[in-house]
Amino acid sequence: QMQLVQSGPEVKKPGTSVKVSCKASGFTFTSSAVQWVRQARGQRLEWIGWIVVRNGNTNYAQKFQERITITRDVSTSTVYMELSSLRSEDTAFYYCATDAGSGTAFDYWGQGTLVTVSS
Amino acid sequence: EIVLTQSPGTLSLSPGERATLSCRASQSVSSSYLAWYQQKPGQAPRLLIYGASSRATGIPDRFSGSGSGTDFTLTISRLEPEDFAVYYCQQYGSSGFTFGPGTKVDIK
Repeated sequence: QMQLVQSGPEVKKPGTSVKVSCKASGFTFTSSAVQWVRQARGQRLEWIGWIVVRNGNTNYAQKFQERITITRDVSTSTVYMELSSLRSEDTAFYYCATDAGSGTAFDYWGQGTLVTVSS
Repeated sequence: EIVLTQSPGTLSLSPGERATLSCRASQSVSSSYLAWYQQKPGQAPRLLIYGASSRATGIPDRFSGSGSGTDFTLTISRLEPEDFAVYYCQQYGSSGFTFGPGTKVDIK
């Protein structure tokens, strides 16, 4: 079945970087698009960016432009989200979601990865 | 960037009642790229509606979406106990996708 499996929880110090992975299975990875979304505890969903897997084109939310990099590895069907210059406000659950190639909606979501930024 | 506003912030209703949730955009959104999600505590969001009015796979027909341009609506015709949750709209047509702040539907 179609699924996304994300890497495990991370604890990072302020000023460092984190790289979260999202491994896809059950669909044609190279036909898909993947978005990244985060949610601090008790807060709203916040869009981070997305990648078109076929050509690697990305688009990022203005808020994260200077600190975010989304990449993909087609050999392992994995998308990565790297956030640098971490601060305490970046503590949140990070989710990936894919359209699985439909081009219509992001209907398959990863389980979420908790990133904690603390000194 | 398109800003989405959702109203009301909280909707207190009883099971069996009808819920009407609003999502308003700061500029016109392509209907093809307006989605609604349901989120329960401790869970990832679940896609309900895409393309403003198409139900996602497995979504009961008590959920319906409508609207165009800058005004969109999610309607739950008769609330079931499992429908009490937070609902978000998202536009993914313009270059910077955005979410609304959410509407919490809680039990009256």
